[in-house]
Formats: sequence, C-alpha cells, structure tokens
Amino acid sequence: GENVEQHPSTLSVQEGDSAVIKCTYSDSASNYFPWYKQELGKRPQLIIDIRSNVGEKKDQRIAVTLNKTAKHFSLHITETQPEDSAVYFCAAMEYGNKLVFGAGTILRVKS
Amino acid sequence: DAGVTQSPTHLIKTRGQQVTLRCSPKSGHDTVSWYQQALGQGPQFIFQYYEEEERQRGNFPDRFSGHQFPNYSSELNVNALLLGDSALYLCASSPPGGTYEQYFGPGTRLTVT
Repeated sequence: GENVEQHPSTLSVQEGDSAVIKCTYSDSASNYFPWYKQELGKRPQLIIDIRSNVGEKKDQRIAVTLNKTAKHFSLHITETQPEDSAVYFCAAMEYGNKLVFGAGTILRVKS
Repeated sequence: DAGVTQSPTHLIKTRGQQVTLRCSPKSGHDTVSWYQQALGQGPQFIFQYYEEEERQRGNFPDRFSGHQFPNYSSELNVNALLLGDSALYLCASSPPGGTYEQYFGPGTRLTVT
C-alpha cells in the first residue's frame, strides 16, 4: 500500500520568511495530493490540493508542486504570518479514494 | 450551509465497552470516510461509505464497524474498547461526481479508561 513520508517534523521561521514542507510517496498510481492545516484542537482544513496531471498550483500565498517522476510533492508558503502557525499534513490518495497521510509538520512562525 | 458535523464532541468509556459515533456530511455530499487520529500523528483511514455500502477499509480490526443511512449520514461503532482506541475520530465527506476532495468534521475525542 501507499506510504507517505513528510519532512521536516518541525519548522520555525521568522514572520515574512518562506516555509517549505516536503513529502514523498511510494505508490506511482496515487493521483491526488491534498494538504491540510490543523490548528490545536480543531479539524484538519483542506488548504490546497493538486492532481497528478498538474505540476504546480498556486493560491495566494500558498503553492504546491508535484514531481511525479521522483514521487515527491511540496508545500510552499510565502510571506508567513503568525496565523500560519499550525500542524500541516500532506496526503496521497490511493486507488479507491483512501487518503494516506504523512506524520505532520509543526510550523511555528515567530513574530 | 452547514459543514461536516459530528457528535458527540467528547466521550469517555471504559475498556470493554462499546461506542457509537455519528457524522452528518456536508450538504450535497454523498461519501463519508472515517479516520482515527492518535495524538501527535496523522489521521489513519478506517473505512469509507458510499451508497450505504462499505466501499473500502483500512487496516483496522472487525471491532470497528460502520453504517451509512439513506440521508448519507454515518455511524462508526467500536466494540470491546481497548485503551489504544483512545484517539480523535474524524469523519470526512466528499461531493459526488468523482471529485477527490475530503472535508473533515471537528471530530469526536474518545478516551478509554
């Protein structure tokens, strides 16, 4: 089955700097890669996603890139703000709409 | 437009007991997936329901079972609770039409003592 690895486990950046979180997946048949943001005690919130036929997608300050050959995808957050502080999870969708999640990255934005 | 809702918010049970958790999908959504999130970890897929049938199942024992009703709401049942079942149980719903997005509810925090 699918296996998703996520790095780094924690990331501290200064307000205004960029943050990058990277994930790798094992199953070349996976075709959908969402990113979720989870604040303490709250639900995971879908912030951006990308399908396997697209290489890059951007939404304001966040972007996701996908390299199908290397089987890795990344989340980029520019001009970070304190409210970006949260746990971020990447995921890959196996055949049958099952999401397999990474272990998460704790992002701390210092003001 | 209400998002995904879950009940109860918190639950405390004793080892060996049984529990039922409930989920109402976002309006217009017809597929419901259940996940278990242990503290400090990513969600783990339990199973998915579509058209009142279990469509796919993760690596969870038969103690975990579910149901989907004609109005697309769903229940997760866990029998013979173990201490290790303590976790946040998340429900996610998806719209029809072959789209992949899954939107999560707030979860039910289950504590087994």
